[in-house]
Amino acid sequence: KNEVEQSPQNLTAQEGEFITINCSYSVGISALHWLQQHPGGGIVSLFMLSSGKKKHGRLIATINIQEKHSSLHITASHPRDSAVYICAVRSGGGSQGNLIFGKGTKLSVKP
Amino acid sequence: GAVVSQHPSWVICKSGTSVKIECRSLDFQATTMFWYRQFPKQSLMLMATSNEGSKATYEQGVEKDKFLINHASLTLSTLTVTSAHPEDSSFYICSASLNTQYFGPGTRLTVL
Repeated sequence: KNEVEQSPQNLTAQEGEFITINCSYSVGISALHWLQQHPGGGIVSLFMLSSGKKKHGRLIATINIQEKHSSLHITASHPRDSAVYICAVRSGGGSQGNLIFGKGTKLSVKP
Repeated sequence: GAVVSQHPSWVICKSGTSVKIECRSLDFQATTMFWYRQFPKQSLMLMATSNEGSKATYEQGVEKDKFLINHASLTLSTLTVTSAHPEDSSFYICSASLNTQYFGPGTRLTVL
């Protein structure tokens, strides 16, 4: 069993739909990252969470430390949101800790 | 925000040659940089942790003599794939640490 599990693996949505991507992990963590990987491969860091909830534009990320679960929500989805969304947890302390990555969720938003 | 660049963005080489990939933090100093590898449809896997002025720490299963890492300054780390083989073809991504990790755009290596 992977230490970081994401669901779903693939997601197709119509433009405007509300999207949720889930991440569960089995290790102790100091932080959780949500990353966006574009088709060309480049990675953008969307959020880093250690508790609670963060919002940036149409993106919302939540984490429940007790349940070892995080969700990434996209409101009013748009075709430009199409990308692979990766959950990564930082085990170990400090800012230098190793990241463990999920396999990613491939999102395709149709116009 | 913090920017990390990689060069080259893609490279094609013959089997047996060596390839150097550069990772630069453009507007901040990073004492630690990380090198990841991603095979198609797989998650990123950490290869090594590069600390400025000291030897890199390699993950289990990563050959340090094959993947040479040099972190000579606070803004530059290099990964050299020595005697590359087709199985080394992959997407190599670096990140630099400043409170959080900032990722480079990646380098796609194809070994013929």
